[in-house]
Amino acid sequence: GENVEQHPSTLSVQEGDSAVIKCTYSDSASNYFPWYKQELGKRPQLIIDIRSNVGEKKDQRIAVTLNKTAKHFSLHITETQPEDSAVYFCAASFSGSARQLTFGSGTQLTVLP
Amino acid sequence: GAGVSQTPSNKVTEKGKYVELRCDPISGHTALYWYRQSLGQGPEFLIYFQGTGAADDSGLPNDRFFAVRPEGSVSTLKIQRTERGDSAVYLCASSLTGVRGQTEAFFGQGTRLTVV
Repeated sequence: GENVEQHPSTLSVQEGDSAVIKCTYSDSASNYFPWYKQELGKRPQLIIDIRSNVGEKKDQRIAVTLNKTAKHFSLHITETQPEDSAVYFCAASFSGSARQLTFGSGTQLTVLP
Repeated sequence: GAGVSQTPSNKVTEKGKYVELRCDPISGHTALYWYRQSLGQGPEFLIYFQGTGAADDSGLPNDRFFAVRPEGSVSTLKIQRTERGDSAVYLCASSLTGVRGQTEAFFGQGTRLTVV
């Protein structure tokens, strides 16, 4: 089955700096890669996703890149703000949808004011 | 409703007891998913429904776990003979369909199950 590894497990940045979280996956058949943000005690919320036919996707301060050859994808947050502080999870699925997502172990991002 | 609703929000049960966890998906969403999240970990897939049928139950850990969605809307996750290792947050999610192109999955707040 699919295995997703996520690094780092914790990340602290100064407000205004950029943050990068990286994930690798094992199953070359995976074709859908969403990123979720989860604040303490709250539900995971989709912030951005990318499909295997695209190398990069951007939405305001958030961008995701995908390298299919190396089987890794990354989340980039620019101009970080304190409200970006949360746990971020990457995930991968072979179905092209939210079916049977395999999640990474999460990154606790802290943005210091 | 406006979002995915799960009840109860918290459930404490004794080892060996039976529990039911309920999920109300977003109206009109045909795809429904159950995930389990242990402390400090990412969610783990349990089961996926497309309409009334369980299209993929490969994530259910053993036969103590069962889920139904009899009318294609509300789903119930049932756990028999609970064990302490079943303690986790059980998350439900729904999406418009389960197929490519209709993918965004909206999660509920989860049910925190504690087996004592």
